[in-house]
Amino acid sequence: EAGVVQSPRYKIIEKKQPVAFWCNPISGHNTLYWYRQNLGQGPELLIRYENEEAVDDSQLPKDRFSAERLKGVDSTLKIQPAELGDSAVYLCASSGGTGDNSPLHFGNGTRLTVT
Amino acid sequence: SQKIEQNSEALNIQEGKTATLTCNYTNYSPAYLQWYRQDPGRGPVFLLLIRENEKEKRKERLKVTFDTTLKQSLFHITASQPADSATYLCALDSGGSYIPTFGRGTSLIVHP
Repeated sequence: EAGVVQSPRYKIIEKKQPVAFWCNPISGHNTLYWYRQNLGQGPELLIRYENEEAVDDSQLPKDRFSAERLKGVDSTLKIQPAELGDSAVYLCASSGGTGDNSPLHFGNGTRLTVT
Repeated sequence: SQKIEQNSEALNIQEGKTATLTCNYTNYSPAYLQWYRQDPGRGPVFLLLIRENEKEKRKERLKVTFDTTLKQSLFHITASQPADSATYLCALDSGGSYIPTFGRGTSLIVHP
């Protein structure tokens, strides 16, 4: 099966500019996650979707971050405006459900550098 | 506060030896714990899951133990190889949240 696809792989922008990341999950996976990973740290959850519904977005900085998952398949994560502290790797993951029978499948991430 | 602790120092071992990585947690009551492998520039890859009522789980050269009294999981790689060099992340759910929370990972370096 094809894995989780993310684009772009790298993005360099100046602070205050907008940026968007795209994720295509594994076909048939209803649950989609966006994580942020800082250097030397583990991934931290930003938002989780069940189909097209955001069911956990408590960690998403809503003043500048937004996400959508139209039709319950692809997802986009946006930052506007970006700040220096947003530099990180943004990881998308999907799973066939939730719980112990549904491990996460990650994409290779988008590395964002804000200058 | 809730914490997941993995050794931040890299583990260096010789090829053929057994690597043992530790994951400790506080203020969690996880129903299960997962281990992932992450290579540089790549996303984490799922390796093993162990449930709270399981003491040990094995898969090929990998073994995971889970001690809910000590609040600790140990991850073992036997007969380690240079190709096993990577960062290993533990992740646990927050007691029914179904959302894996990750530790910072431990880097393993296997020397030929």
